[in-house]
Amino acid sequence: DAGVIQSPRHEVTEMGQEVTLRCKPISGHDYLFWYRQTMMRGLELLIYFNNNVPIDDSGMPEDRFSAKMPNASFSTLKIQPSEPRDSAVYFCASSSGWGAGYTFGSGTRLTVV
Amino acid sequence: QKEVEQDPGPLSVPEGAIVSLNCTYSNSAFQYFMWYRQYSRKGPELLMYTYSSGNKEDGRFTAQVDKSSKYISLFIRDSQPSDSATYLCAMSRSSNDYKLSFGAGTTVTVRA
Repeated sequence: DAGVIQSPRHEVTEMGQEVTLRCKPISGHDYLFWYRQTMMRGLELLIYFNNNVPIDDSGMPEDRFSAKMPNASFSTLKIQPSEPRDSAVYFCASSSGWGAGYTFGSGTRLTVV
Repeated sequence: QKEVEQDPGPLSVPEGAIVSLNCTYSNSAFQYFMWYRQYSRKGPELLMYTYSSGNKEDGRFTAQVDKSSKYISLFIRDSQPSDSATYLCAMSRSSNDYKLSFGAGTTVTVRA
């Protein structure tokens, strides 16, 4: 298995632009997580899905952020409009269940200028 | 105050030394404790997890939990340059709690 696949690896965009991050989880994993990592705040859970249904989005910072999971093999995290404070590494992770641990992708490094 | 506190380091040790990492937490509801390893420009990967208090050993890695002190530790014996990474602790309240609380991570460098 290729693991959790995220795209793009790097994204540089101007303030105010829409940004879409993509994730392909490991086949058979029922849980999908979006995390954000910064030096100041560490690793923060934004939202997670179970069987394509959003379970908890309390970590989504504001209405500018939205996430979807239209099917078991694809999820997106969208930021519209983007702001410089959104600059961070965004990780997607998937899991087959709590005890199995989470498998993280390599992340998308987002820079908003 | 953060729920989980972890000294960010950095920590530099010679090859073969024992690496000692720790986290403290404030929420007594945490029951499950995990350690993740994150190499530069990669996502975290699960090293091991423990339930409640006690020790758990996996090869060169030993995890300890002291719930009475709200303190957890990870020891790496016979450290290797390949152990150079950032180590993050994580905790949850139950096996149904998917909202892990992560520490900030400690960056470790093992010098050859």
